[in-house]
Amino acid sequence: AQKITQTQPGMFVQEKEAVTLDCTYDTSDPSYGLFWYKQPSSGEMIFLIYQGSYDQQNATEGRYSLNFQKARKSANLVISASQLGDSAMYFCAMREGPNTGNQFYFGTGTSLTVIP
Amino acid sequence: EPEVTQTPSHQVTQMGQEVILRCVPISNHLYFYWYRQILGQKVEFLVSFYNNEISEKSEIFDDQFSVERPDGSNFTLKIRSTKLEDSAMYFCASSEEPGGLDQPQHFGDGTRLSIL
Repeated sequence: AQKITQTQPGMFVQEKEAVTLDCTYDTSDPSYGLFWYKQPSSGEMIFLIYQGSYDQQNATEGRYSLNFQKARKSANLVISASQLGDSAMYFCAMREGPNTGNQFYFGTGTSLTVIP
Repeated sequence: EPEVTQTPSHQVTQMGQEVILRCVPISNHLYFYWYRQILGQKVEFLVSFYNNEISEKSEIFDDQFSVERPDGSNFTLKIRSTKLEDSAMYFCASSEEPGGLDQPQHFGDGTRLSIL
C-alpha cells in the first residue's frame, strides 16, 4: 500500500482564491510527522509546513494551513489568497517514528496552476 | 539562511561510466540523505547516513550505489556503471540532530543526471 496518496495530479485556482490540495497517508506507527514541500519549475524542494501526529491543532504558516483529520488519515494543504508564484508541484511527505533519521515517504505530487 | 549545496547542477555521462554527485549539507546537521526523482515521478528515498555509516537504505540503493563523507563537509553519492534508467534528478537533504519528529529535511537544488 502507498504510504502517501495524492489523488489530484493537477489543480487550477484563480489568483487570490483559496485552494485545497489533498493528501492521505497510511501508517500503523502512532508517531509520525507530515510535511508539505513545494517544487517550482526550477526543481528545488522548499519546505512549507509540518504537522505532527500528536498535535492537537492544525498547523499554520502564513498563507499555508494544514487541515489535519487524524481519523481519516488526511493532511490536506490549504493555500489562501493564491498568488501567481504559487504555481508549482506540491508534495506531501511523511516520516514515521520518533527517529529524525527515518526516511521521508513522498506522494506523487499535485501540479498547481494559479490563473491570473 | 544556511542551505544544502549540490554540485554539479547538471551532469551528462556516458552509459557505463561512474559518476559522483556532491553535496555540502547544512553545517550543524548530522543526518544526511539522498533521494532521486525520475522525470515526472515522485521523489524516492535512496539512503540515509548518520555517524559515518548508512542508517537506512531502500531497495533502489543496490551495489551500484555508495555514499561517503570524505571530509567534514562533503557528502557524496557514487553511481558505478551507470545505466539509462539512472537518469533522474538526485536530491541531497540534511536534518538536525538531536531533533524531534518535526525536523524537516532541508533539500538541495538537486543534480540532474542524464545518462546517454
